[in-house]
Amino acid sequence: GQQLNQSPQSMFIQEGEDVSMNCTSSSIFNTWLWYKQDPGEGPVLLIALYKAGELTSNGRLTAQFGITRKDSFLNISASIPSDVGIYFCAGDNYGQNFVFGPGTRLSVLP
Amino acid sequence: DAGVIQSPRHEVTEMGQEVTLRCKPISGHDYLFWYRQTMMRGLELLIYFNNNVPIDDSGMPEDRFSAKMPNASFSTLKIQPSEPRDSAVYFCASSDRAFGELFFGEGSRLTVL
Repeated sequence: GQQLNQSPQSMFIQEGEDVSMNCTSSSIFNTWLWYKQDPGEGPVLLIALYKAGELTSNGRLTAQFGITRKDSFLNISASIPSDVGIYFCAGDNYGQNFVFGPGTRLSVLP
Repeated sequence: DAGVIQSPRHEVTEMGQEVTLRCKPISGHDYLFWYRQTMMRGLELLIYFNNNVPIDDSGMPEDRFSAKMPNASFSTLKIQPSEPRDSAVYFCASSDRAFGELFFGEGSRLTVL
């Protein structure tokens, strides 16, 4: 089946730094979503993107729907300790295929 | 508003025993999903329901796994007999659309000894 690749797999950053991560696919998706999972919890939706080129913000988070429709990007500005967790991208192709990426594990050092 | 509610949060059982995981979706959501999460395989969709009807169960590993949704507010995932390789976190999620904006429960962590 279709798979998503996320980069980087993990990252360690200093508090206050900006973070960038991406998600790529060999297939086109019509919807991209970004979720965050805190330890011991279920994933929580952060941002949903529905149109190629769309740029959407949610507080310090900004996500973009790649123009090729095969990728998406998530940026976090001025990271804080509570940003720690696993960030998953997910792609949807009109409900025909829906898949989660393997995740990017973020650690924030004080 | 209450989110997706799963029980139990943790279960430890011995190989061969029956395991039943339970889920109460968000009221008004027509879609319910069961996912399994492991380090090796990440988040895997096991099965999903629309209006209490199973739509796609192609992700169910084998006949030992079964899922039911007797009404709009309750679903179960059963493993019988359980095996150590079934150890994972099982998530239930609900949505008002086929895919996309899923709302996950806190998960049921299963350990099969």
